[in-house]
Amino acid sequence: DAGVIQSPRHEVTEMGQEVTLRCKPISGHNSLFWYRQTMMRGLELLIYFNNNVPIDDSGMPEDRFSAKMPNASFSTLKIQPSEPRDSAVYFCASSLLQGGTGELFFGEGSRLTVL
Amino acid sequence: AQSVTQPDIHITVSEGASLELRCNYSYGATPYLFWYVQSPGQGLQLLLKYFSGDTLVQGIKGFEAEFKRSQSSFNLRKPSVHWSDAAEYFCAVDGNKLVFGAGTILRVKS
Repeated sequence: DAGVIQSPRHEVTEMGQEVTLRCKPISGHNSLFWYRQTMMRGLELLIYFNNNVPIDDSGMPEDRFSAKMPNASFSTLKIQPSEPRDSAVYFCASSLLQGGTGELFFGEGSRLTVL
Repeated sequence: AQSVTQPDIHITVSEGASLELRCNYSYGATPYLFWYVQSPGQGLQLLLKYFSGDTLVQGIKGFEAEFKRSQSSFNLRKPSVHWSDAAEYFCAVDGNKLVFGAGTILRVKS
């Protein structure tokens, strides 16, 4: 079975450019999470969706970040404009929550470098 | 709000030796508890989870963890470490959302 698929795996861009990260969750999962991982701050939850609806976006750093989930099989995380401090590995994870918490399945991550 | 503390940033053990990674949590009630492992360049993979019931839980790859309510701890153990266990390990607690600890990097020396 295919796991969570993220693209691109690596992105190098210049400050001020728009960055779009993509995620395809596991089929049948109804929750999707975006995390950011840095050495300084560890793993931070940015936003999560349940049944395609954003439930908690309190971790989104600022207005430069936005996330969408137009359907159950696709989500994007967009940074516009990008800044060097946005350099990190961005993980997407999906889960089948059943009245509580459940196991998260992570993608392999998108490593973003903003010069 | 819940929080997780992993007091050891790095741990080095010899292959074949036993392992214990520490995890302490803060939450007002009994949370759901997890251990995840991350190999270099990879996403996180669930090792084991505790929801309720038996406080000693078994996971994949020979790992186990014990929930101790009195100590607010959920330490991860393995009786005999293999070189392939070298990775970063994350404890996580879910009260109203999943929060990860800072991680412990495990090095295995032969």
